Amino acid sequence: SAVISQKPSRDICQRGTSLTIQCQVDSQVTMMFWYRQQPGQSLTLIATANQGSEATYESGFVIDKFPISRPNLTFSTLTVSNMSPEDSSIYLCSVDAGSTDTQYFGPGTRLTVL
Amino acid sequence: GQQVMQIPQYQHVQEGEDFTTYCNSSTTLSNIQWYKQRPGGHPVFLIQLVKSGEVKKQKRLTFQFGEAKKNSSLHITATQTTDVGTYFCAGPHNQGGKLIFGQGTELSVKP
Repeated sequence: SAVISQKPSRDICQRGTSLTIQCQVDSQVTMMFWYRQQPGQSLTLIATANQGSEATYESGFVIDKFPISRPNLTFSTLTVSNMSPEDSSIYLCSVDAGSTDTQYFGPGTRLTVL
Repeated sequence: GQQVMQIPQYQHVQEGEDFTTYCNSSTTLSNIQWYKQRPGGHPVFLIQLVKSGEVKKQKRLTFQFGEAKKNSSLHITATQTTDVGTYFCAGPHNQGGKLIFGQGTELSVKP
């Protein structure tokens, strides 16, 4: 199974600022995903990070608010821009486990916006 | 759009009691997956079911995939405090490699 790390693990930010979250995998993977999980809620997919091309965003999420980079097959970043308290959440990256459709998740980044 | 629904949302049991969570998809799935998220943790893959009517066991956990490949269940026999967490089912979206997650069932176990 893939080992995934995320930085930072948690942060407290001021309204109007931006935070970039990093996701590093210990092996090359085809697909990387970014999710948001609000307290007590399920996982909401923000976007699929594509290597060498623009990310594919889900309905309700836009590139200007959540720009994503995927410079290679082991790394991706998600930026939460111009933050408001409504952006307070846990942000999780995940990767595909090969040809099985299953996913491995990173430990998450707990974001609080004041 | 394609949806995966899960019930119940919460389940509180006494240690030693059984627990079941149910998952229903709006469409036929190629497979169904189950994940467990401990409090303060991240989702961890438990199992994948692929065949119609498939039943798989992991110790006290029994997973079933319905004949129509639209529903699934997870049953835990004689719950323990280590079973505490939220259990999610997930199915592949019919377009692309992403997953659709159910709402999750949060299990609490009273010792």
